[in-house]
Amino acid sequence: NAGVTQTPKFQVLKTGQSMTLQCAQDMNHEYMSWYRQDPGMGLRLIHYSVGAGITDQGEVPNGYNVSRSTTEDFPLRLLSAAPSQTSVYFCASRRVDGNTGELFFGEGSRLTVL
Amino acid sequence: AQSVTQLDSHVSVSEGTPVLLRCNYSSSYSPSLFWYVQHPNKGLQLLLKYTSAATLVKGINGFEAEFKKSETSFHLTKPSAHMSDAAEYFCVVSDDGTGFQKLVFGTGTRLLVSP
Repeated sequence: NAGVTQTPKFQVLKTGQSMTLQCAQDMNHEYMSWYRQDPGMGLRLIHYSVGAGITDQGEVPNGYNVSRSTTEDFPLRLLSAAPSQTSVYFCASRRVDGNTGELFFGEGSRLTVL
Repeated sequence: AQSVTQLDSHVSVSEGTPVLLRCNYSSSYSPSLFWYVQHPNKGLQLLLKYTSAATLVKGINGFEAEFKKSETSFHLTKPSAHMSDAAEYFCVVSDDGTGFQKLVFGTGTRLLVSP
């Protein structure tokens, strides 16, 4: 089982560049989300979606856009990268119906903004 | 507002000795609590969860945690550490019933296991 797949695993950007972090899951999960992980701060929710066509903001949404056109995919877009967005990004998914609270995480995308 | 405090940023143990990772929470309602583990360069994986059933919860790889409402704690324990337990551990709280929409992650505890 592939589970949650994130690409790329590593990326270096210059300030002001744009990019998209890809996330795909093959578990038919309705809920998908993006977190960022920074040293000493745990994981913080950026955006989430409870189904195709539905997205909402999390705790730290500024500077990021998302869309959800299919159940499987939930890309995260940085329109104009800033050094403060240097972080490790995790995509996570779970069921909505029969929700047990368990999140399934990808392996992360490490982003450096110079 | 809900919050979670992991009392130690690093814990060092020797292989074969007990493990104790401490977590205190603050919640306005009856919380659900989780422990996740993150091995190097990997995503987080659920170890165990408490959702108002038995207060002693058993998880994978021999870990368990006890929910103590009077102490607002949910400490993670294992009787005997193995080298493969070296990882970062996150305590997570949710207090929106069974919706689990609002998860608050602790800052993590890195477990170091020496031979």
